[in-house]
Amino acid sequence: DAGVIQSPRHEVTEMGQEVTLRCKPISGHNSLFWYRQTMMRGLELLIYFNNNVPIDDSGMPEDRFSAKMPNASFSTLKIQPSEPRDSAVYFCASRIAGVSYNEQFFGPGTRLTVL
Amino acid sequence: AQSVAQPEDQVNVAEGNPLTVKCTYSVSGNPYLFWYVQYPNRGLQFLLKYITGDNLVKGSYGFEAEFNKSQTSFHLKKPSALVSDSALYFCAVRDTGNTPLVFGKGTRLSVIA
Repeated sequence: DAGVIQSPRHEVTEMGQEVTLRCKPISGHNSLFWYRQTMMRGLELLIYFNNNVPIDDSGMPEDRFSAKMPNASFSTLKIQPSEPRDSAVYFCASRIAGVSYNEQFFGPGTRLTVL
Repeated sequence: AQSVAQPEDQVNVAEGNPLTVKCTYSVSGNPYLFWYVQYPNRGLQFLLKYITGDNLVKGSYGFEAEFNKSQTSFHLKKPSALVSDSALYFCAVRDTGNTPLVFGKGTRLSVIA
């Protein structure tokens, strides 16, 4: 299995631009998570989906952030407009829901730099 | 509510010495506990987990962790540290259901040759 796939791996953009991050979960996994990691705030859960349905988006910092999961094999995290403080590494993770002791598998991350 | 505490931001150990990275947890039900490792510029990698049964759990790369219910701890250990073990280590917990893992803030391990 290829694991969780994220694209792009690196993104550099200017303030005000729209940014779209992409994630393909492991085949058969029905829970998907978006995290953000910064030096200051550590690892933060932004939103998660079960069976393509958003369950908890309380970690999404502002309305500028939105996430979708149109099908079981694809999710996007969009920032519009982007700001320098959004610079971080964004991770996607997936797991098989329904079993409490299943671990989450993380993708390699997207390093976002907003100038 | 579930929570995890990693009391040390940084742990330094000499190569060949035993290492311990501490973790304490709080859950309302039975805990499922996890350790992850993050190498520079990489995603988090699963190391090991405690489900039930034997309090000593063995995982990848020679790591093990000891579950202590009375102290609500799940410390990560390795008998002999390697320089290549230098990384950021995260403890995480879930009690039941389909909820996400709750992660600690991470402990940076530095193994010095």
